[in-house]
Amino acid sequence: KNQVEQSPQSLIILEGKNCTLQCNYTVSPFSNLRWYKQDTGRGPVSLTIMTFSENTKSNGRYTATLDADTKQSSLHITASQLSDSASYICVVSHRDNLFFGTGTRLTVIP
Amino acid sequence: DVKVTQSSRYLVKRTGEKVFLECVQDMDHENMFWYRQDPGLGLRLIYFSYDVKMKEKGDIPEGYSVSREKKERFSLILESASTNQTSMYLCASSTGTDYEQYFGPGTRLTVT
Repeated sequence: KNQVEQSPQSLIILEGKNCTLQCNYTVSPFSNLRWYKQDTGRGPVSLTIMTFSENTKSNGRYTATLDADTKQSSLHITASQLSDSASYICVVSHRDNLFFGTGTRLTVIP
Repeated sequence: DVKVTQSSRYLVKRTGEKVFLECVQDMDHENMFWYRQDPGLGLRLIYFSYDVKMKEKGDIPEGYSVSREKKERFSLILESASTNQTSMYLCASSTGTDYEQYFGPGTRLTVT
């Protein structure tokens, strides 16, 4: 069964600290893996999109990594800011389908 | 700048009412999608469309229908709203499934 699982479900960190969010998937084969940021009450916004052959992709303070052998991806946030408080969703593309994780809820506190 | 707009941010309807949710994109995308998002369940695909007047069922189409009369507009219809359709509804568009999806701001629908 094609699945995408994210951990942790929620995370609280202090402003300025780094954090790493995890995404494990069983979708195979896959076309690409995406990370989205969703602010409360808003639609998701794309952070990164990686194909099978890419290992890492950065977007400012966000860096996504992909290990296609172990079917794992991570999203690393550096020097967190209060505006990073949001849900982060991992999405895996497989043929004509998208498989969504349930997200990690990140709260950054001052 | 990419833009997907949805007709309402918040909507409150009564059980049994017919509900229309509108989505408009200005990027000339072929593909448009409707999702619902519920706590702990993530985004689930209701319907999608690859072209004008074309529609395909997603994972949870029951109780919903869609209409795409123009390329830029994709409507979600709840024929007879029920309380279990209380949810956040998100519209998205893309040039293809393997390409980035751009989401609208969402409509929070409450059915009482």
